[in-house]
Amino acid sequence: EVQLVESGGGLVQPGGSLRLSCAASGFTFSYYSINWVRQAPGKGLEWVSYISSSSNIIYYADSVKGRFTISRDNAKNSLYLQMNSLRAEDTAVYYCARIVGASTLDHWGQGTLVTVSS
Amino acid sequence: QSVLTQPPSASGTPGQRVIISCSGSSSNIGSNNVNWYQQLPGTAPKVLIYRNNQRPSGVPDRFSGSKSGTSASLAISGLQSEDEADYYCAAWDDSLNGRVFGGGTKLTVL
Repeated sequence: EVQLVESGGGLVQPGGSLRLSCAASGFTFSYYSINWVRQAPGKGLEWVSYISSSSNIIYYADSVKGRFTISRDNAKNSLYLQMNSLRAEDTAVYYCARIVGASTLDHWGQGTLVTVSS
Repeated sequence: QSVLTQPPSASGTPGQRVIISCSGSSSNIGSNNVNWYQQLPGTAPKVLIYRNNQRPSGVPDRFSGSKSGTSASLAISGLQSEDEADYYCAAWDDSLNGRVFGGGTKLTVL
């Protein structure tokens, strides 16, 4: 069974940093590209970042470019999101999601909540 | 302001057919596949339609998708109470080099 489990969320002050992890199981992690998608409380979905299977292609949303860094360790079946210079507007549930067929997010984790507040 | 435009709400009675629209541009819907996601209250999103009109196994055939030009739509026929959820369209945007989502449509079954 395909599983994606996010961790690392929590409360952080504005300007602080946090590292999210996404542990994958039930499939060959190194074959798949992965996205981070977030959802602010009571709001819609917002795409955050994309990383290809071999990490050679990476994209970021303009709202996080220069502050967030996506990475993966295929040997550990893990995806990461390093978030620096956090702002109140980064408060959201962060989901990792597997991509199939170049565009479909076919499996999602349960999400981890990041709260940026003083 | 989302790149893809959806109505914020839709409603119908059990058994009715409801259509949710998604409007984009030539750089997203006009040149890439559209996916639809269903998010039940308190849960992660789930893919409902991929590649414009394909249903993953397990998704009832009451759900169908279509695309024409720079717009797409999701149709739900034989509406059921368990269809009450938020629905999002999504596509890759070649100009932004990123994935874009619609703002979401909250479906209420009356």
